Order: sequence, then structure tokens, then C-alpha cells
Amino acid sequence: SYVLTQPPSVSVAPGLTARITCGGNNIGSKSVHWYQQKPGQAPVLVVYDDSDRPSGIPERFSGSNSGNTATLTISRVEAGDEAGYYCQVWDSTSDHLVVFGGGTKLTVL
Amino acid sequence: QVQLQESGPGLVKPSQTLSLTCTVSGASVTNGGYYWNWIRQHPGKGLEWIGYIYYSRSTYYNPSLKSRLTISMDTSKNQFSLNLSSVTAADTAVYYCARVDTSLPYYFDCWGQGTPVTVSS
Repeated sequence: SYVLTQPPSVSVAPGLTARITCGGNNIGSKSVHWYQQKPGQAPVLVVYDDSDRPSGIPERFSGSNSGNTATLTISRVEAGDEAGYYCQVWDSTSDHLVVFGGGTKLTVL
Repeated sequence: QVQLQESGPGLVKPSQTLSLTCTVSGASVTNGGYYWNWIRQHPGKGLEWIGYIYYSRSTYYNPSLKSRLTISMDTSKNQFSLNLSSVTAADTAVYYCARVDTSLPYYFDCWGQGTPVTVSS
């Protein structure tokens, strides 16, 4: 089945830019979605279809996808951005269909 | 505004069947525009997709759970349910229900708050 690889943790100081990667074989050919999950809460969609934002999500959240890596970029990081972040693809070619990355814990220093 | 709410026992004994229900408000499970999903998260771990049901009652399951899993729908109550048989401690997790719009691309745009389930005697 398809595998998505994320770094377990990323740390960034407030006001700077955080980049969270999601690696997968030829992931650039797939549509990647990103979720934010704070402790004790359900995940929330922050980026869909590689780079689109749902309504209500700040412009500070952006995404890109090319080659073997998709990236979630959070600009001007705030303390409230500290959370787990998960990438996800829907792989109709695989019997596992829905694949999540292992998740990345973003720590705001 | 669409809302999903999970319900069910928080404690299940090993070898028994875990049964959870997701009640949908603000949308109809008979709407052909959505897949209705179950996802779980083991303690301190990542997300694992369990499976979905469509308005036609067709289902698609994670192959790793398929032999123990049944997802069904009660249209009169606007609910869909998960039954996972022969549970072990490895099934201890927070279980979420979530919706996917069948218009591409497929992503989870609405989630329930999650319900914790512990498998223990």
C-alpha cells in the first residue's frame, strides 16, 4: 500500500515560517490534504487539494506538492499553531484507499 | 451546519463486539454526495482510516480490518454505525466519524468530536 512519510517533529520560533513535509512515491501526481489536530480535539482540515484553503483558515497556511514531496507551510507562526499535522491522500489505485501520514508535532518555541 | 456525533460504550471486553453510532445533523446520509467514514486514532498515535458507507449502502473497508468489520446505515435515524468484532487491546482508540464529499478531490471536511473506546476486561 501507499506510504506517506512525515517528520515526527518540527520546531519553530513565533513569527517565523514552519514547513512540514509529506513524502510519498510520485506524490506530486496525487491530491494531498492536510489536517491540524490539537490535543483532545478532532482533526480540522487546513489545506485541501495540495494548496487550497477551506473558508475560515488563515492565509498563513499554504501548501505545495511536487515530485515526491508535499509541503504544508505555516507563515508567521503563532503559539496557537502548536498542534499535530497530518497529510492524507485518497488512493483509488490501492486497496487501502485512504492513507494518512504518521503526523508531525509542531512545537512553537 | 453539518454536525456528526459519535456515541457508544467507552469500555468493551476482549473478544466482544465494539459497536458505535454516528448521528448526522444538518445533512442526510441518503444524500448521494457523500461517503460516511470511520477513522480511529490509537493513544498517542496517528490516524487510521477504518472504512466508509455510501447512501446506496455499499461499503469499502480497510483490508486490515475487513474480516472483523461491518459498517451499516439507519436512514430513519440519519445514522451510520460501526461494528468491530473480536476486539483486543489493540482496538483501544479514539473513534471518529467523518464525511467525504464525493466530488473530487476526496478529503474529510467534517468530523465528529471523537469517542474513546477502551478494550479491557
